[in-house]
Amino acid sequence: AQSVAQPEDQVNVAEGNPLTVKCTYSVSGNPYLFWYVQYPNRGLQFLLKYITGDNLVKGSYGFEAEFNKSQTSFHLKKPSALVSDSALYFCAVRPDRGSTLGRLYFGRGTQLTVWP
Amino acid sequence: SQTIHQWPATLVQPVGSPLSLECTVEGTSNPNLYWYRQAAGRGLQLLFYSVGIGQISSEVPQNLSASRPQDRQFILSSKKLLLSDSGFYLCAWSNPFRGEKDTQYFGPGTRLTVL
Repeated sequence: AQSVAQPEDQVNVAEGNPLTVKCTYSVSGNPYLFWYVQYPNRGLQFLLKYITGDNLVKGSYGFEAEFNKSQTSFHLKKPSALVSDSALYFCAVRPDRGSTLGRLYFGRGTQLTVWP
Repeated sequence: SQTIHQWPATLVQPVGSPLSLECTVEGTSNPNLYWYRQAAGRGLQLLFYSVGIGQISSEVPQNLSASRPQDRQFILSSKKLLLSDSGFYLCAWSNPFRGEKDTQYFGPGTRLTVL
């Protein structure tokens, strides 16, 4: 069965410090991997994705993510956190690369709080 | 550019009443369309997806149904709402024909409260 795990429900960091939001997955084949962010009562905003190539992917708002195939992980990172980064972050994977459906499996989300 | 709309933004309905939520996409043709429900601020659950007009696949058998009467319109319905139908409903689209085909883009969502 396909699954995505975000092992931390909550991550707290001080402004200016680096942040990491963890994601591991268990899917068949070589998946596409995504990160989304959600602000309160809003839809999900796409941050970045890994398709192929360089394991370090850069996305919106200074975020980046590192794909590690051997550890089946795709952790989200940012060198210097901002208070405005406080939000709910979702990791998602698409296991069936050969399909046009683009169906995604989501983790449960990690609430990031950045303290001033 | 592409835009996705959902309405209403919020809805309060009594138990047993019908439901109709609408999602429309602009600026693209033949999108894949999706309905998700998010309960208690977490955990997105895929409810329905569609690859074309009149083509609906259900992920979770429950009190809801979906229809796609037009290429860029996706409707979520219920004949009789249950308390457990409360949640945040998100519509999403993806383009199956472009290099970014695997990115889903989400609408602003509808907050449904069933009393």
